[in-house]
Amino acid sequence: GENVEQHPSTLSVQEGDSAVIKCTYSDSASNYFPWYKQELGKRPQLIIDIRSNVGEKKDQRIAVTLNKTAKHFSLHITETQPEDSAVYFCAARPSGTYKYIFGTGTRLKVLA
Amino acid sequence: DAGVTQSPTHLIKTRGQQVTLRCSPKSGHDTVSWYQQALGQGPQFIFQYYEEEERQRGNFPDRFSGHQFPNYSSELNVNALLLGDSALYLCASSFYPGGQETQYFGPGTRLLVL
Repeated sequence: GENVEQHPSTLSVQEGDSAVIKCTYSDSASNYFPWYKQELGKRPQLIIDIRSNVGEKKDQRIAVTLNKTAKHFSLHITETQPEDSAVYFCAARPSGTYKYIFGTGTRLKVLA
Repeated sequence: DAGVTQSPTHLIKTRGQQVTLRCSPKSGHDTVSWYQQALGQGPQFIFQYYEEEERQRGNFPDRFSGHQFPNYSSELNVNALLLGDSALYLCASSFYPGGQETQYFGPGTRLLVL
């Protein structure tokens, strides 16, 4: 069935270092891949997204890469700051559907 | 421009009871999706409403039902509550210009079933 695997489950980095979170999806027809940041007790907030016709997208310190052949996509955060600490979720939308399939989340801790 | 709003913020119910959660979409959005987020997990898709009809449903039992009103707001109803229904219920709204869409989430309703 449709599934999104996300790794690692927890990630600790020193302030200023880079963080990378990886996701793999099962439905090869998936065509939209958003990333959400969820702080404790708050709503998931969209931070970046990528569509299947693009290989990479950047927005300041955040970038997402997509490898359709391998069916995986990654979130890259450079120059991490303490306020980047949160749980990050990847998601995939299978083609022909309206639902998002979410990964299990990565708890990122940026150590000052 | 108001974002997605949900009510109530918190709710405590006992097993067997029924609950109704409410969602108002972001201004300009016409589609509402509901997700269940258990503690430490990613959101799980319950269903999506568009033009006042359920357009797609996830793997949730019939105890979960919904409704969308002409002003695009939506309700999620859960009957015969089970302990396992305790979770954060998230509403997400979106708009489909030319098939492109992004879902924006509300703050959620935290439901505790005792």
